[in-house]
Amino acid sequence: ETGVTQTPRHLVMGMTNKKSLKCEQHLGHNAMYWYKQSAKKPLELMFVYSLEERVENNSVPSRFSPECPNSSHLFLHLHTLQPEDSALYLCASSQGYLKGLNTEAFFGQGTRLTVV
Amino acid sequence: AQSVTQLGSHVSVSEGALVLLRCNYSSSVPPYLFWYVQYPNQGLQLLLKYTTGATLVKGINGFEAEFKKSETSFHLTKPSAHMSDAAEYFCAVRKAGNNRKLIWGLGTSLAVNP
Repeated sequence: ETGVTQTPRHLVMGMTNKKSLKCEQHLGHNAMYWYKQSAKKPLELMFVYSLEERVENNSVPSRFSPECPNSSHLFLHLHTLQPEDSALYLCASSQGYLKGLNTEAFFGQGTRLTVV
Repeated sequence: AQSVTQLGSHVSVSEGALVLLRCNYSSSVPPYLFWYVQYPNQGLQLLLKYTTGATLVKGINGFEAEFKKSETSFHLTKPSAHMSDAAEYFCAVRKAGNNRKLIWGLGTSLAVNP
C-alpha cells in the first residue's frame, strides 16, 4: 500500500448515529490533517496533528472529534451530525507541519459523507 | 487578509487546445503559490508550486504557471489539452515566513471536449 488511504469511501449516517472516519498514511510523515470540502466553498482546514499532538483546531464544532493514536493513523469521530455536515472529508499528511519550502501535503481520496 | 480568486468556476476547451486557468491573489507580502488538481473521486494532488527564484514554474503532466508579482497572478497553462486533464483545479496561497495556513481558491472545473 502506498500514499494516504481513507475508509470508508462513502458513508450515509443519520443525525443520531455515531461513526468514525479512518485515515492511514504509509509515507513516513509526521503531520496529518483533516479537511472539509463542500460545494462552492473553499477547502476548510479542520484539524492538524503534528508529531501526534493536535496543533490546530479551526473552530470546528464538538460533534467532530479527531484522534491521532500514532503518526500513521488519524481518525475523525462523528456524532449527532447535521445535514449541513454532508461533504467530502479529506485527510492529508506531510513531512513537517507545512514547514519549509518543500513541504507538500499528500491527500487521500476522501470520504463522501451524507447526513440524513 | 489574504484571499485567492479563481476566475471562472467552469472552463471548457477542446482536446489539443490551450488550457488557461486563472488565479489571482491578494497578499501584502510575496507568497508561496500552489496549484493542486483533483481528479473525479480522488484527493488533491500537487501540480506545481512557486516559492522563490524563477517565476515560470513547470509541473507535472505538462502544466506550468507563471508568478507575476505586478499582476498578483499565478495562472496555470498547458499548451495542448488532453482528455485526461478533465478535473478540478485549485489554486492556493501561503504567506511566506512562519505562517503555515494555506488559503484556497474555490476551484475551476476543467472540461475537455473531443
